Amino acid sequence: GQNIDQPTEMTATEGAIVQINCTYQTSGFNGLFWYQQHAGEAPTFLSYNVLDGLEEKGRFSSFLSRSKGYSYLLLKELQMKDSASYLCAVRDQETGGFKTIFGAGTRLFVKA
Amino acid sequence: GAGVSQSPRYKVTKRGQDVALRCDPISGHVSLYWYRQALGQGPEFLTYFNYEAQQDKSGLPNDRFSAERPEGSISTLTIQRTEQRDSAMYRCASSLDPTSEAFFGQGTRLTVV
Repeated sequence: GQNIDQPTEMTATEGAIVQINCTYQTSGFNGLFWYQQHAGEAPTFLSYNVLDGLEEKGRFSSFLSRSKGYSYLLLKELQMKDSASYLCAVRDQETGGFKTIFGAGTRLFVKA
Repeated sequence: GAGVSQSPRYKVTKRGQDVALRCDPISGHVSLYWYRQALGQGPEFLTYFNYEAQQDKSGLPNDRFSAERPEGSISTLTIQRTEQRDSAMYRCASSLDPTSEAFFGQGTRLTVV
């Protein structure tokens, strides 16, 4: 089976940096995704890691350690519009193909 | 199409009725996924397809739920004899291939009364 853990809520200040952690357990790890979801909207893709290390994309970076079953999403220069839920998702390779499982999400509140 | 399209956007049905939820993926996308999302939670996996083949249906809650994608494009999620506990947001997503990121539709909000 699969298990994904991430904090329920976080609060940060506009202009600051925030790190959202995700730990996972899976039998056939084949990649980790981060999605952003604003209230009432569909999730949108942010980043993807399959190898260990840091992937940077503008103000967003994502890190993966496969041996530790750990990832984090780093958001820099926070803006009010970054207030959203951030979903960690793990792709698991099982018999018959791949399956992507989502965590419960971390609600980020950005305050002025 | 430009994005993943789901219909209807909202569906209110009486307990015991059957409902069919439709998903039109991005043109050319091989993989199609169905998720169910409760308020404040992440998407819960239901099933997924590559082309017309249903690869995994382990997330379907019980045998009242079924899905098909007969021509490898549009998919339908059917819930028979709906119950109040089926009320949720049902989301469809598609990806270019099984290893790529998924693009989500706006979802169908199902309410069973």
